[in-house]
Amino acid sequence: GESVGLHLPTLSVQEGDNSIINCAYSNSASDYFIWYKQESGKGPQFIIDIRSNMDKRQGQRVTVLLNKTVKHLSLQIAATQPGDSAVYFCADSGGSNYKLTFGKGTLLTVNP
Amino acid sequence: GAGVSQSPSNKVTEKGKDVELRCDPISGHTALYWYRQSLGQGLEFLIYFQGNSAPDKSGLPSDRFSAERTGGSVSTLTIQRTQQEDSAVYLCASSLVASGRETQYFGPGTRLLVL
Repeated sequence: GESVGLHLPTLSVQEGDNSIINCAYSNSASDYFIWYKQESGKGPQFIIDIRSNMDKRQGQRVTVLLNKTVKHLSLQIAATQPGDSAVYFCADSGGSNYKLTFGKGTLLTVNP
Repeated sequence: GAGVSQSPSNKVTEKGKDVELRCDPISGHTALYWYRQSLGQGLEFLIYFQGNSAPDKSGLPSDRFSAERTGGSVSTLTIQRTQQEDSAVYLCASSLVASGRETQYFGPGTRLLVL
């Protein structure tokens, strides 16, 4: 079946560097995408979302890019900090009216 | 305002026992979701409620799992005759309405360990 997947299961960066986490989706009907951050022992926390009528959206230190042509989503974190260390999940709406489909996640480790 | 809350935060039980997990959604949110997250894995959809509509139970892994939502607010996930493979983190989320285009806000989860 169609699903959301991630290119890399782990990413290690130095403090202060920029991080890029990638996500591929296969459902062409997907029109809404979310990035969540999950710290150890906590529930997923909303970071940023984007709708399919946009190709870029910026938040505080984070930017989400959407390339519908190749069905690719990325999360960019500027000036990565140790507090950014977590698992990052992308999710998409697929063709559902209510259900989000989550990828397995990418573990981001920030080295001081 | 308060976020989604779940209780208990941790639960250890013996194989064969029944467990009840509770979720209090954000006030005013009509949609409520349950997910299961096994160690190092993504989120597995279990069940969703929207207002007074019949819930979508399509993600429940077996008939030992059931959930209800009373008064359109608090929800309880019940696992009967627990098995070791039920050990996981059970996450609850709520959103303003049930839409694949609404942000779901998650609770901290209940960590279930079946011995």
